[in-house]
Amino acid sequence: GAVVSQHPSRVICKSGTSVKIECRSLDFQATTMFWYRQFPKQSLMLMATSNEGSKATYEQGVEKDKFLINHASLTLSTLTVTSAHPEDSSFYICSAREPGQGGNQPQHFGDGTRLSIL
Amino acid sequence: AQTVTQSQPEMSVQEAETVTLSCTYDTSESNYYLFWYKQPPSRQMILVIRQEAYKQQNATENRFSVNFQKAAKSFSLKISDSQLGDTAMYFCAFTLYSGNTPLVFGKGTRLSVIA
Repeated sequence: GAVVSQHPSRVICKSGTSVKIECRSLDFQATTMFWYRQFPKQSLMLMATSNEGSKATYEQGVEKDKFLINHASLTLSTLTVTSAHPEDSSFYICSAREPGQGGNQPQHFGDGTRLSIL
Repeated sequence: AQTVTQSQPEMSVQEAETVTLSCTYDTSESNYYLFWYKQPPSRQMILVIRQEAYKQQNATENRFSVNFQKAAKSFSLKISDSQLGDTAMYFCAFTLYSGNTPLVFGKGTRLSVIA
């Protein structure tokens, strides 16, 4: 079945570092990918919608200059956390929907990236 | 905007027993999809079951079934013959039928299956 690969699975780095997370659809083309953030024992909160070949759409309260999203190809979206600080520590999950008629198409999730900023 | 509410932060059930998780949602749309996702300690998101709003018949997947009440905007999940491997966070989610809209999640219910 369709698979979404997210890399890396775990990052530990110093404050001020920029961190890039990759999300790849392995056997289908994803014109749209979604990035979520999940704090411990909380739900998934949508950060942004990533559209291939165009600018991402960010949710209210998400800093676009802090969380840079690039969707340069139909199989790859990247999230870069710029100048990360301890409050950016969280679990980040991407998802991709198979092409077709909107919500009718399954949405597949990556395994997530656990980001820890020291 | 659509919202999803799960009013049970935590639940527990004895192994082999049946448990029902509640979910309500709010939308002005008539065509949409509803989902239950399971997130075990590994934090993978696993699709448990999906319901299409235009279908009256409740979805079932083996031990998992839903009670979909469209007028009441209610979408509960019943787990029969609970197993230890069912221990996880369960999220109810909503997406519109058309357009490339994301999933909107409830806050989740932590289910513990006790031996």
